[in-house]
Amino acid sequence: GQQLNQSPQSMFIQEGEDVSMNCTSSSIFNTWLWYKQDPGEGPVLLIALYKAGELTSNGRLTAQFGITRKDSFLNISASIPSDVGIYFCAGPVSGGYQKVTFGTGTKLQVIP
Amino acid sequence: NAGVTQTPKFRILKIGQSMTLQCTQDMNHNYMYWYRQDPGMGLKLIYYSVGAGITDKGEVPNGYNVSRSTTEDFPLRLELAAPSQTSVYFCASSLGLSSSYNSPLHFGNGTRLTVT
Repeated sequence: GQQLNQSPQSMFIQEGEDVSMNCTSSSIFNTWLWYKQDPGEGPVLLIALYKAGELTSNGRLTAQFGITRKDSFLNISASIPSDVGIYFCAGPVSGGYQKVTFGTGTKLQVIP
Repeated sequence: NAGVTQTPKFRILKIGQSMTLQCTQDMNHNYMYWYRQDPGMGLKLIYYSVGAGITDKGEVPNGYNVSRSTTEDFPLRLELAAPSQTSVYFCASSLGLSSSYNSPLHFGNGTRLTVT
């Protein structure tokens, strides 16, 4: 099936630093979604991307839809303690847009 | 507005026991989903439903059953619990296609299940 691999798996950063993470797939996606999971809660949608090359921002977060349509990137600028959590990329399963498959996640920890 | 509510929050089962994880949503969403989350593995889709009376398998359905008799409720049943089912289970719902920003997945806060 379609598999989404995220890197890095986890990262520690100092408050105020910028963060970059990525998501790659062996197959093409027509939509990329980025979710964040706060500790002890369910994931929440941050950003959705629909076109190759598209760059979309949500506050300090910026995500890009890779040109090859097999990858996506998420950047967080000037990190703050509440950025702590697990970030998941996700995309619709081929042949079934009502189903979404999730990546393996990047766990972010911010050191104040 | 409660959103998606899951019960219980925690549960410990012995091997071979059965249980039902409850999920209810008050947003009148047509689509509902069950995911399990294992460390380092992301979220895997177990079952989903596109409306009352309609259910379908996801990526990892073995060992589970679901029903959708009403729009609001989507319980997940484990018949013979096994250690491999130790996980955190998330129920989610969406108004329409969950790949749309206008129809995102709304998740509950999860049920942490341990099978020993």
